[in-house]
Amino acid sequence: EVQLVESGGGLVQPGGSLRLSCAASGFTFSSYAMIWVRQAPGKGLEWVSSISASGANTYYSDSVKGRFTIYRDNSKNTLYLQMNSLRVEDTAVYYCAKIDRAAGTSDYWGQGTLVTVSS
Amino acid sequence: QPVLTQSSSASASLGSSVKLTCTLGRGHSTYIIAWHQQQPGKAPRYLMKVEGSGTYNKGSGVPDRFSGSSSGADRYLTISNLQSEDEADYYCETWDSNTRVFGTGTKVTVL
Repeated sequence: EVQLVESGGGLVQPGGSLRLSCAASGFTFSSYAMIWVRQAPGKGLEWVSSISASGANTYYSDSVKGRFTIYRDNSKNTLYLQMNSLRVEDTAVYYCAKIDRAAGTSDYWGQGTLVTVSS
Repeated sequence: QPVLTQSSSASASLGSSVKLTCTLGRGHSTYIIAWHQQQPGKAPRYLMKVEGSGTYNKGSGVPDRFSGSSSGADRYLTISNLQSEDEADYYCETWDSNTRVFGTGTKVTVL
């Protein structure tokens, strides 16, 4: 059974940093691209970042480019999102999701972790 | 980058059907999209992918009541025999080489 478990969320002040983790199990983690998606309170889904299976290729939305870094440790089956220079508008639930190789869709989601940026 | 347009809300009676639309922006009418369901207070759940041909492939465990179709730049999600647990937000998603896009979501209310 595919499982994705996010952790690392919490309350942080504007300008601060936080690292999110996504522990994967139930599939060959190193064979699949992964993404982070966030959802601000009462709002819709927003793609944040993607990473290829090997980790060699990474992509970011304009809203986080230069502040967030996505990376992965395939030996630990874990995906990360390092978030620096956090802003109030980064407040959201952050989800990790697995990308289906054939379909290109995000086919499994974690339960999410809440990041609150506030003074 | 691709753009997806969804209506904000839809409603239908218990046991009836509802058809949701996701429209691809100009220049991206052939793109594949995915539908996701988000029940209140829960994480999103992948339902299916829908191709421009109308072919759709559902995720694991998705009930037969859910189906997909396509016409031009429009991708559809039809829920038949609507149940109370189908009351949720439904998002479409698409992607290209280096970006992903979600629609704004359609809130389905079961009357």
